[in-house]
Amino acid sequence: EVQLVETGGGLIQPGGSLRLSCAASGFTVSTNYMTWVRQAPGKGLEWVSVIYSGGSTHYADSVKGRFIISRDNSKNTLYLQMNSLRAEDSAVYYCARGFNGPLGDWGRGTLVIVSS
Amino acid sequence: DIQMTQSPSSLSASVGDRVTITCRASQGIGNNLGWYQQKPGKAPKRLIYTASGLQSGVPSRFSGSGSGTEFTLTISSLQPEDFATYYCLQHNSYPWTFGQGTKVEIK
Repeated sequence: EVQLVETGGGLIQPGGSLRLSCAASGFTVSTNYMTWVRQAPGKGLEWVSVIYSGGSTHYADSVKGRFIISRDNSKNTLYLQMNSLRAEDSAVYYCARGFNGPLGDWGRGTLVIVSS
Repeated sequence: DIQMTQSPSSLSASVGDRVTITCRASQGIGNNLGWYQQKPGKAPKRLIYTASGLQSGVPSRFSGSGSGTEFTLTISSLQPEDFATYYCLQHNSYPWTFGQGTKVEIK
């Protein structure tokens, strides 16, 4: 059974950094393409970043230069390093696995609140 | 960036109704579109991939159609568990973009 479990969210001050993790089971992260999507409270879904099996990455303009997507193959885990956080980065962050197109399986999400 | 315009933004319907939600892309995206269902407090769930492919385990009352710039999600006979918010996503080019969502409520 495929499972994705996000951790690492919490309350962080503006300008701070946070690293989100997405532990995967039931499949191999390194052979799939993996995505981060976020949802601000009461708002719609926003694509954040994707990493492909070959290692190529893409980012939304809103996070480019501040966020870094990566993975640890030995831990079968996806990461999102978030730097220079802003209030508008506050959201639930979901990781998802791509198959037959993106976002085929989703985790439950982790909440990030950026506030002083 | 490709803009995805979803309509309507909300609708009220009764159990058994046929429901249609539309997504229009600001430029052609082939069939690189998915449909997602989200219930309050839950993660989204994919219903349709590549415009018309039914995700495994999703009831056959859900169907998707379209290509290019206009896409449709149809629920042939609305069930109580279908009351939720629905989103389309284009993954033809970066940045991937979602529609703004359609909230399906009980009439």
